[in-house]
Amino acid sequence: SQQGEEDPQALSIQEGENATMNCSYKTSINNLQWYRQNSGRGLVHLILIRSNEREKHSGRLRVTLDTSKKSSSLLITASRAADTASYFCATDESGGSNYKLTFGKGTLLTVNP
Amino acid sequence: EAGVAQSPRYKIIEKRQSVAFWCNPISGHATLYWYQQILGQGPKLLIQFQNNGVVDDSQLPKDRFSAERLKGVDSTLKIQPAKLEDSAVYLCASSFTGQFGNEQFFGPGTRLTVL
Repeated sequence: SQQGEEDPQALSIQEGENATMNCSYKTSINNLQWYRQNSGRGLVHLILIRSNEREKHSGRLRVTLDTSKKSSSLLITASRAADTASYFCATDESGGSNYKLTFGKGTLLTVNP
Repeated sequence: EAGVAQSPRYKIIEKRQSVAFWCNPISGHATLYWYQQILGQGPKLLIQFQNNGVVDDSQLPKDRFSAERLKGVDSTLKIQPAKLEDSAVYLCASSFTGQFGNEQFFGPGTRLTVL
């Protein structure tokens, strides 16, 4: 079963605009991670936010986590055509040492030049 | 640092045939994962190894799928016999699990088409 659900399923913006993607999940988590997948490629880790953190930044990426609402958002600022990809949230709900991640269905972001 | 290696990159087979995929994780990564990603969906975990032991194979269709990681390094995933619904990308990932979290590093995947 898939824990995270990304919203929207698809997003199309112009270069230079900001892109916001949301992720909702159902159970308690240890951490939540965001991954990017370019067409035909494997996934690349973007950022990890722990359950006791509320916001995290990495370059043009900003991630927020609201554990009371069981939701997270990924903001990409000043988007570029190269940001075109699918973005997945993944939750670590193991509660122990399994380090298992459960991925959502992803948001397909298209950045038009 | 070399990434996760997978082979082959593409495979086309007839239904009821067998197929095997190979993965070599990043050196030093104790945990290895196999995922199935159907078009338009997120990766679904098939099996997770910690060194050469299985941690989680709850979503592995054991009547047709098998996986091994004999020496705790590289791993193979086999499908026998394949069905049409097995058409997907099979992703291998590895991680250096520990107190700092479980970021996973993915290989490029093997795209399987079952005709």
